[in-house]
Amino acid sequence: DAGITQSPRHKVTETGTPVTLRCHQTENHRYMYWYRQDPGHGLRLIHYSYGVKDTDKGEVSDGYSVSRSKTEDFLLTLESATSSQTSVYFCAIGGRRYEQYFGPGTRLTVT
Amino acid sequence: LAKTTQPISMDSYEGQEVNITCSHNNIATNDYITWYQQFPSQGPRFIIQGYKTKVTNEVASLFIPADRKSSTLSLPRVSLSDTAVYYCLVGDDGSARQLTFGSGTQLTVLP
Repeated sequence: DAGITQSPRHKVTETGTPVTLRCHQTENHRYMYWYRQDPGHGLRLIHYSYGVKDTDKGEVSDGYSVSRSKTEDFLLTLESATSSQTSVYFCAIGGRRYEQYFGPGTRLTVT
Repeated sequence: LAKTTQPISMDSYEGQEVNITCSHNNIATNDYITWYQQFPSQGPRFIIQGYKTKVTNEVASLFIPADRKSSTLSLPRVSLSDTAVYYCLVGDDGSARQLTFGSGTQLTVLP
């Protein structure tokens, strides 16, 4: 399996609190992605990064911000969590042409 | 990013060959076709990627006709453990902003 980890794996938080999810890779891949997946849906892209300090928005970026200060780490921040952000969050790493490798996911519950 | 259309679900029996077709009528010249497999509570797993004709690896084959407007993932002699959701993804690096996995195809392998 690709060297990609996510932390925490599970988190319960209250509405209005900030939350940061971490994705860490040991593969030195240029591209990193954050997705969310809700029951009965495919994965939706939140943000992605194409290099250190280089990020761009995906389909569902509202309410989320990201940072990438090192090649190996990609952080996803919910500035003020809402119940609609309850979801499973997947990080992925990849090279060219969407050959991506996914982390184990973080299950986030906002109460 | 080329929009893709897949069947919502398919059933098969153990030992049979399964073919899952993905339609992508507006595929662009630089786009590649990538397939992923996802089990419940796990991140998607890269299966195979191709540009044209046929690609085969130890897990599956990918058939792409000359016009590239569709592709077929072929799983030889499926087992119960192949029960999963299969996603078709089409694009190249320049279109990551519009990356979307769609709803995928739920394959159920029956004994």
